[in-house]
Amino acid sequence: QKEVEQDPGPLSVPEGAIVSLNCTYSNSAFQYFMWYRQYSRKGPELLMYTYSSGNKEDGRFTAQVDKSSKYISLFIRDSQPSDSATYLCAMTLSGSARQLTFGSGTQLTVLP
Amino acid sequence: GAVVSQHPSWVICKSGTSVKIECRSLDFQATTMFWYRQFPKQSLMLMATSNEGSKATYEQGVEKDKFLINHASLTLSTLTVTSAHPEDSSFYICSAAGTGAYEQYFGPGTRLTVT
Repeated sequence: QKEVEQDPGPLSVPEGAIVSLNCTYSNSAFQYFMWYRQYSRKGPELLMYTYSSGNKEDGRFTAQVDKSSKYISLFIRDSQPSDSATYLCAMTLSGSARQLTFGSGTQLTVLP
Repeated sequence: GAVVSQHPSWVICKSGTSVKIECRSLDFQATTMFWYRQFPKQSLMLMATSNEGSKATYEQGVEKDKFLINHASLTLSTLTVTSAHPEDSSFYICSAAGTGAYEQYFGPGTRLTVT
């Protein structure tokens, strides 16, 4: 079993839809959670970064962490064709190493 | 957000030659930098972690003599692929984290093609 599970998709939605992307993890020691967006042939771009359980909102994006269920989500409201990309969840332990453990990524297409 | 640059963005080299890739943090001090490799339609594979002024820590299976990493300053890390072979062709991405930070900021990546 992978430490972080993420549905690879592909996921296609119409423009304006609410998108829900999810990851589950097995290691309860993970403390910091991130969502990255990666366009084809580009480096990942940090979208959201959270530490504690709960919700964090930034514009059209909301990140949700439920540590008791070991489950994190990213919601995209009013999705746009420019949101079409691969979304990667990532998480790390506390301490000095700070290496990220990534999900496999979900490929999202928003259709105009 | 923090900005990380990479140079070159794309390089073609002949088998047996060496290639150097630069990674710079433009607006923050990166105490830790990471080098990843990514194959098409796959997630990122961590190659090594480097702290400024220290030797890099390589992941299992990554040849340290082939992939030389230098992190001589708080804004610059370099990856040198020595004696490159076609199987080294890949997308190489660096990331950087500031002091005490856990989030990583990624560069745009370098596409290496070895002929």
